[in-house]
Amino acid sequence: DAKTTQPNSMESNEEEPVHLPCNHSTISGTDYIHWYRQLPSQGPEYVIHGLTSNVNNRMASLAIAEDRKSSTLILHRATLRDAAVYYCILEGQGAQKLVFGQGTRLTINP
Amino acid sequence: NAGVTQTPKFQVLKTGQSMTLQCAQDMNHNSMYWYRQDPGMGLRLIYYSASEGTTDKGEVPNGYNVSRLNKREFSLRLESAAPSQTSVYFCASSQNGIMGETQYFGPGTRLLVL
Repeated sequence: DAKTTQPNSMESNEEEPVHLPCNHSTISGTDYIHWYRQLPSQGPEYVIHGLTSNVNNRMASLAIAEDRKSSTLILHRATLRDAAVYYCILEGQGAQKLVFGQGTRLTINP
Repeated sequence: NAGVTQTPKFQVLKTGQSMTLQCAQDMNHNSMYWYRQDPGMGLRLIYYSASEGTTDKGEVPNGYNVSRLNKREFSLRLESAAPSQTSVYFCASSQNGIMGETQYFGPGTRLLVL
């Protein structure tokens, strides 16, 4: 499985945008990029996913580099409820699974 | 809709005891998954079921068995629990198990093996 690299932790302030980076230099042409988050004592929750183009939904935006070797999850206006561990995951052909790394622990300051 | 539900929420076992973790989904999904999460780590896939009647091993299947009872239910059994199986267990489901699909997770079962 192709690997992802994320910072262990990040900190931001409430109501400010947050940019969470993810490097995936060994990504293949058919790998999807998924982002999930896990709030304390809960199961992971889907945030967004994409293949080649940038994606937007009600929760966040996903910016994918032109060479697809990195991506950035953008929370446009962070709230305290966005404090969680964010996982960047590559889903490969035939994998039928999501391979979770250690993720980025995001802290939001009031 | 309840989504994905898991029982029990918390369980303490002694080494060598057996137990079954239950999972059910009400989203009419074909694919279901069992993951474990050790402290400070990401999730690892134990087993998955692409569709009713099929099961396959994931990354860490040793010490576990699964049963896809019907389309709704997917159970995970520990035949002889070991302290190394102390973990939080998450069940998930997705529509068809194809690439690009969203997985929906349950709230987890916290298992402590003494």
